[in-house]
Amino acid sequence: EADIYQTPRYLVIGTGKKITLECSQTMGHDKMYWYQQDPGMELHLIHYSYGVNSTEKGDLSSESTVSRIRTEHFPLTLESARPSHTSQYLCASSLRGGEETQYFGPGTRLLVL
Amino acid sequence: KNQVEQSPQSLIILEGKNCTLQCNYTVSPFSNLRWYKQDTGRGPVSLTIMTFSENTKSNGRYTATLDADTKQSSLHITASQLSDSASYICVVSAGNAGNMLTFGGGTRLMVKP
Repeated sequence: EADIYQTPRYLVIGTGKKITLECSQTMGHDKMYWYQQDPGMELHLIHYSYGVNSTEKGDLSSESTVSRIRTEHFPLTLESARPSHTSQYLCASSLRGGEETQYFGPGTRLLVL
Repeated sequence: KNQVEQSPQSLIILEGKNCTLQCNYTVSPFSNLRWYKQDTGRGPVSLTIMTFSENTKSNGRYTATLDADTKQSSLHITASQLSDSASYICVVSAGNAGNMLTFGGGTRLMVKP
Protein backbone atom coordinates (compact mmCIF):
# COMPACT_ATOMS: atom_id res chain seq x y z
CA GLU A 1 0.00 0.00 0.00
CA ALA A 2 1.46 3.35 -1.07
CA ASP A 3 1.83 6.16 1.48
CA ILE A 4 0.04 8.81 -0.53
CA TYR A 5 -3.07 10.51 0.76
CA GLN A 6 -5.76 12.71 -0.68
CA THR A 7 -8.42 14.77 1.06
CA PRO A 8 -11.26 15.15 0.80
CA ARG A 9 -12.30 11.86 -0.79
CA TYR A 10 -15.61 13.34 -1.90
CA LEU A 11 -16.64 16.97 -2.33
CA VAL A 12 -19.93 18.52 -3.44
CA ILE A 13 -19.87 22.30 -3.81
CA GLY A 14 -21.67 25.10 -5.58
CA THR A 15 -20.52 27.01 -8.63
CA GLY A 16 -18.10 29.84 -7.97
CA LYS A 17 -16.56 28.42 -4.80
CA LYS A 18 -12.81 28.22 -4.30
CA ILE A 19 -11.57 24.75 -3.44
CA THR A 20 -8.25 23.12 -2.64
CA LEU A 21 -7.66 19.42 -3.06
CA GLU A 22 -4.93 18.14 -0.78
CA CYS A 23 -2.31 15.55 -1.65
CA SER A 24 0.53 14.40 0.55
CA GLN A 25 3.04 11.57 0.40
CA THR A 26 5.45 10.28 3.02
CA MET A 27 7.76 8.36 0.69
CA GLY A 28 10.17 11.24 0.03
CA HIS A 29 9.34 11.18 -3.67
CA ASP A 30 10.63 14.06 -5.78
CA LYS A 31 8.09 13.92 -8.55
CA MET A 32 4.36 14.42 -8.05
CA TYR A 33 1.45 14.52 -10.47
CA TRP A 34 -2.21 15.44 -10.75
CA TYR A 35 -4.48 13.55 -13.12
CA GLN A 36 -8.10 14.15 -14.06
CA GLN A 37 -10.28 11.15 -14.85
CA ASP A 38 -13.91 11.19 -15.90
CA PRO A 39 -15.94 8.03 -15.12
CA GLY A 40 -14.92 5.13 -17.33
CA MET A 41 -12.40 7.27 -19.18
CA GLU A 42 -8.63 7.42 -19.29
CA LEU A 43 -6.42 9.48 -17.00
CA HIS A 44 -5.20 12.84 -18.25
CA LEU A 45 -2.17 14.57 -16.75
CA ILE A 46 -3.00 18.15 -15.73
CA HIS A 47 -0.02 19.14 -13.55
CA TYR A 48 3.29 17.74 -12.38
CA SER A 49 6.26 18.78 -10.30
CA TYR A 50 9.92 17.73 -10.35
CA GLY A 51 10.46 18.90 -6.79
CA VAL A 52 10.11 21.85 -4.44
CA ASN A 53 9.24 25.11 -6.25
CA SER A 54 8.78 23.25 -9.54
CA THR A 55 5.38 23.08 -11.24
CA GLU A 56 4.56 22.25 -14.85
CA LYS A 57 1.36 21.98 -16.87
CA GLY A 58 0.42 18.57 -18.20
CA ASP A 59 -1.10 17.36 -21.44
CA LEU A 60 -4.66 18.41 -20.62
CA SER A 61 -5.35 22.10 -20.17
CA SER A 62 -6.83 22.85 -16.76
CA GLU A 63 -8.02 25.99 -14.99
CA SER A 64 -6.61 24.64 -11.75
CA THR A 65 -3.29 25.69 -10.24
CA VAL A 66 -0.81 23.81 -8.06
CA SER A 67 2.02 24.63 -5.69
CA ARG A 68 4.97 22.67 -4.30
CA ILE A 69 6.35 24.41 -1.25
CA ARG A 70 7.23 21.18 0.54
CA THR A 71 8.41 17.88 -0.93
CA GLU A 72 5.58 15.92 0.62
CA HIS A 73 2.73 18.26 -0.26
CA PHE A 74 1.21 19.08 -3.67
CA PRO A 75 -2.17 20.83 -3.36
CA LEU A 76 -4.42 21.64 -6.31
CA THR A 77 -6.62 24.74 -6.27
CA LEU A 78 -9.63 25.81 -8.28
CA GLU A 79 -10.30 29.54 -7.77
CA SER A 80 -13.89 29.39 -9.03
CA ALA A 81 -15.38 25.95 -9.48
CA ARG A 82 -17.75 25.24 -12.38
CA PRO A 83 -19.87 22.20 -13.27
CA SER A 84 -17.37 21.39 -16.04
CA HIS A 85 -14.81 20.72 -13.28
CA THR A 86 -16.84 17.76 -12.04
CA SER A 87 -14.52 14.78 -12.25
CA GLN A 88 -12.20 12.53 -10.28
CA TYR A 89 -8.81 13.99 -9.44
CA LEU A 90 -5.96 11.57 -8.79
CA CYS A 91 -2.64 12.50 -7.24
CA ALA A 92 0.46 10.38 -7.79
CA SER A 93 4.14 10.44 -6.93
CA SER A 94 7.32 8.72 -8.05
CA LEU A 95 10.85 8.64 -6.67
CA ARG A 96 12.16 10.47 -9.68
CA GLY A 97 10.57 9.99 -13.08
CA GLY A 98 10.79 7.95 -16.25
CA GLU A 99 11.19 4.29 -15.30
CA GLU A 100 10.03 4.88 -11.76
CA THR A 101 6.60 3.50 -10.89
CA GLN A 102 3.97 6.08 -10.02
CA TYR A 103 2.05 5.48 -6.84
CA PHE A 104 -1.48 6.80 -6.80
CA GLY A 105 -3.62 8.21 -4.04
CA PRO A 106 -7.25 7.13 -3.63
CA GLY A 107 -8.56 10.14 -5.55
CA THR A 108 -11.00 12.97 -4.87
CA ARG A 109 -14.41 12.81 -6.50
CA LEU A 110 -15.56 16.39 -7.13
CA LEU A 111 -19.13 17.35 -7.98
CA VAL A 112 -19.82 21.00 -8.78
CA LEU A 113 -23.48 21.94 -8.82
CA LYS B 1 1.08 11.43 -31.64
CA ASN B 2 1.69 8.89 -28.87
CA GLN B 3 -1.31 6.61 -28.40
CA VAL B 4 -2.24 3.53 -26.39
CA GLU B 5 -5.24 1.48 -27.46
CA GLN B 6 -6.73 -1.25 -25.30
CA SER B 7 -9.17 -4.01 -26.12
CA PRO B 8 -11.72 -5.11 -25.28
CA GLN B 9 -13.26 -2.05 -23.65
CA SER B 10 -15.17 -4.30 -21.27
CA LEU B 11 -15.25 -7.98 -20.49
CA ILE B 12 -17.41 -10.26 -18.35
CA ILE B 13 -16.11 -13.68 -17.34
CA LEU B 14 -17.06 -16.35 -14.83
CA GLU B 15 -15.05 -16.87 -11.68
CA GLY B 16 -12.23 -19.35 -12.22
CA LYS B 17 -11.87 -18.66 -15.94
CA ASN B 18 -8.82 -17.16 -17.61
CA CYS B 19 -8.80 -14.03 -19.74
CA THR B 20 -6.39 -11.96 -21.82
CA LEU B 21 -6.43 -8.19 -22.23
CA GLN B 22 -4.71 -6.48 -25.15
CA CYS B 23 -2.72 -3.26 -25.48
CA ASN B 24 -1.35 -1.72 -28.69
CA TYR B 25 0.83 1.37 -28.57
CA THR B 26 2.48 3.86 -30.88
CA VAL B 27 4.68 5.59 -28.30
CA SER B 28 8.12 6.51 -29.53
CA PRO B 29 10.80 6.28 -28.37
CA PHE B 30 9.69 3.45 -26.10
CA SER B 31 10.98 3.27 -22.53
CA ASN B 32 8.72 0.92 -20.61
CA LEU B 33 5.18 -0.43 -20.35
CA ARG B 34 3.17 -0.88 -17.20
CA TRP B 35 -0.11 -2.54 -16.40
CA TYR B 36 -2.14 -0.98 -13.62
CA LYS B 37 -5.24 -2.27 -11.83
CA GLN B 38 -7.79 0.33 -10.78
CA ASP B 39 -10.61 -0.65 -8.46
CA THR B 40 -13.77 1.44 -8.70
CA GLY B 41 -13.33 4.72 -6.88
CA ARG B 42 -9.65 4.08 -6.13
CA GLY B 43 -6.33 5.07 -7.60
CA PRO B 44 -4.47 2.72 -9.97
CA VAL B 45 -2.03 0.21 -8.52
CA SER B 46 0.95 -1.06 -10.51
CA LEU B 47 0.88 -4.77 -11.45
CA THR B 48 3.88 -5.14 -13.76
CA ILE B 49 6.50 -3.08 -15.54
CA MET B 50 8.47 -4.20 -18.60
CA THR B 51 11.33 -2.58 -20.45
CA PHE B 52 12.33 -3.09 -24.08
CA SER B 53 14.39 -6.21 -23.39
CA GLU B 54 11.72 -8.03 -21.38
CA ASN B 55 9.00 -10.04 -23.09
CA THR B 56 7.19 -11.55 -20.13
CA LYS B 57 6.71 -10.77 -16.47
CA SER B 58 4.48 -12.35 -13.85
CA ASN B 59 2.90 -11.11 -10.65
CA GLY B 60 0.95 -13.94 -9.05
CA ARG B 61 -1.96 -14.80 -11.32
CA TYR B 62 -1.15 -11.89 -13.63
CA THR B 63 1.25 -12.44 -16.54
CA ALA B 64 2.14 -9.61 -18.90
CA THR B 65 3.83 -10.06 -22.26
CA LEU B 66 5.50 -7.51 -24.49
CA ASP B 67 6.33 -7.67 -28.19
CA ALA B 68 8.38 -4.55 -28.86
CA ASP B 69 8.54 -5.29 -32.58
CA THR B 70 4.78 -5.26 -33.09
CA LYS B 71 4.27 -2.79 -30.22
CA GLN B 72 1.78 -5.02 -28.49
CA SER B 73 1.33 -6.15 -24.91
CA SER B 74 -1.11 -8.48 -23.24
CA LEU B 75 -2.16 -9.11 -19.66
CA HIS B 76 -3.26 -12.66 -18.91
CA ILE B 77 -5.25 -13.35 -15.76
CA THR B 78 -5.34 -16.95 -14.62
CA ALA B 79 -8.09 -18.54 -12.50
CA SER B 80 -9.97 -15.28 -12.09
CA GLN B 81 -11.40 -14.26 -8.74
CA LEU B 82 -14.23 -11.89 -7.88
CA SER B 83 -11.65 -9.42 -6.58
CA ASP B 84 -10.16 -9.19 -10.07
CA SER B 85 -13.17 -7.08 -11.09
CA ALA B 86 -11.61 -3.73 -11.92
CA SER B 87 -10.29 -1.60 -14.75
CA TYR B 88 -6.91 -2.63 -16.15
CA ILE B 89 -4.90 0.20 -17.62
CA CYS B 90 -1.94 -0.09 -19.98
CA VAL B 91 0.54 2.78 -19.57
CA VAL B 92 3.53 3.41 -21.83
CA SER B 93 6.45 5.65 -20.96
CA ALA B 94 8.31 7.50 -23.70
CA GLY B 95 12.08 7.52 -23.48
CA ASN B 96 12.53 11.23 -23.86
CA ALA B 97 13.48 14.05 -21.52
CA GLY B 98 10.00 14.46 -20.14
CA ASN B 99 9.38 10.74 -19.66
CA MET B 100 5.69 11.44 -19.83
CA LEU B 101 3.24 8.59 -19.64
CA THR B 102 0.56 7.76 -22.19
CA PHE B 103 -2.45 6.03 -20.69
CA GLY B 104 -4.77 3.61 -22.44
CA GLY B 105 -8.50 3.88 -21.93
CA GLY B 106 -8.54 0.70 -19.87
CA THR B 107 -10.45 -2.56 -19.99
CA ARG B 108 -13.28 -2.94 -17.51
CA LEU B 109 -13.29 -6.51 -16.26
CA MET B 110 -16.19 -7.97 -14.35
CA VAL B 111 -15.83 -11.42 -12.79
CA LYS B 112 -19.14 -13.07 -11.96
CA PRO B 113 -19.68 -15.97 -9.56
